[in-house]
Amino acid sequence: ETGVTQTPRHLVMGMTNKKSLKCEQHLGHNAMYWYKQSAKKPLELMFVYSLEERVENNSVPSRFSPECPNSSHLFLHLHTLQPEDSALYLCASSQVGGLADTQYFGPGTRLTVL
Amino acid sequence: EDQVTQSPEALRLQEGESSSLNCSYTVSGLRGLFWYRQDPGKGPEFLFTLYSAGEEKEKERLKATLTKKESFLHITAPKPEDSATYLCAVPPTNAGGTSYGKLTFGQGTILTVHP
Repeated sequence: ETGVTQTPRHLVMGMTNKKSLKCEQHLGHNAMYWYKQSAKKPLELMFVYSLEERVENNSVPSRFSPECPNSSHLFLHLHTLQPEDSALYLCASSQVGGLADTQYFGPGTRLTVL
Repeated sequence: EDQVTQSPEALRLQEGESSSLNCSYTVSGLRGLFWYRQDPGKGPEFLFTLYSAGEEKEKERLKATLTKKESFLHITAPKPEDSATYLCAVPPTNAGGTSYGKLTFGQGTILTVHP
């Protein structure tokens, strides 16, 4: 595996389900991110883990819960989602301390909430 | 507050018809500017990072340039496979603390190249 991988690529869930999205980066980076991309809207940063510490994003509902067990893995735990949470969820990674910290993205998980 | 505006929103070209995409930015201190390509339903693919005004970078038919107020992505003799959404983004002026990683993205330019 190379770059940033995400599983699953597609997920359909009901509003009462609990599911998790997984991201793994193979670039040796030390920062990881979750983004939400809805139709016709710019990418929306949800969470940042830098050197395994979380940088809060206060606008994200508590039904989204991130977990970063180490610098290579990132999870997004989902529970009691709403239909408006349907979107493409993207994971990215970067190297802290670079000139501008270029972020590299995974292929995304297309989430549909019924 | 940092702002990034891309134009046009959509661009339709014939194969071989060269053109440019624009990314205008308003930031208090530019640390860099990123260009990405995104195909439908996929994650953005990194293209270029530009760090200072006057810098240029090239990759195949793409050339990115940077001034103090905007960046251009020039596409020379495009092919249908260049069809995608092109995104530009800038990092926060202050790289530390709660600002870390908070890229400001433009809305993107949807490029369609017809054969």
